Amino acid sequence: GAGVSQSPRYKVAKRGQDVALRCDPISGHVSLFWYQQALGQGPEFLTYFQNEAQLDKSGLPSDRFFAERPEGSVSTLKIQRTQQEDSAVYLCASSLSGSSVAGELFFGEGSRLTVL
Amino acid sequence: AQKITQTQPGMFVQEKEAVTLDCTYDTSDPSYGLFWYKQPSSGEMIFLIYQGSYDQQNATEGRYSLNFQKARKSANLVISASQLGDSAMYFCAMREVPNTGGFKTIFGAGTRLFVKA
Repeated sequence: GAGVSQSPRYKVAKRGQDVALRCDPISGHVSLFWYQQALGQGPEFLTYFQNEAQLDKSGLPSDRFFAERPEGSVSTLKIQRTQQEDSAVYLCASSLSGSSVAGELFFGEGSRLTVL
Repeated sequence: AQKITQTQPGMFVQEKEAVTLDCTYDTSDPSYGLFWYKQPSSGEMIFLIYQGSYDQQNATEGRYSLNFQKARKSANLVISASQLGDSAMYFCAMREVPNTGGFKTIFGAGTRLFVKA
């Protein structure tokens, strides 16, 4: 497809399980962002890639969160030993630009994680 | 530190009237970009409008315009002739250049707009 694709759309995990969320950005987009959005709140920045380089991971809430983009396209956000507070929608966004403040983000539909 | 502030958790507007959604931001960088996104109840984030920090004129996109007041660090969204389909969450966002490189985009808490028939 032409847009940003995220999978799975919905994930239910038992507390303590590991989960992996996948993001397939628009082809050719240099920048890739992960956000966490709690219900009724704004997206909170988690991490940012420019091509395969993870330039900013300051938003990752703990060392249980890990993200990668090994070939500069598909990215995976991994959450180890999930906790109830990890329940949220995880949004992936990509942008063509990697060197300008302009250029809107194109978002995927999100992965809704529920931790029981 | 919070850098994008949206002070209106919820707003009501009558159909066909104009509405202004407030946004203030904080940055010390001279170069930055300001964005507004719409998030309907279905959940997808939709880009509406962009304003660059060096742009002299306010951005407009159809019924959307951005009232950019640089000295006051404000970037309010104006929606003219509101439609029922405008009912959604609206997020103000800023893209700046952190010391780590790259271009980080941060979002405000959002304003929920309700359009009344």
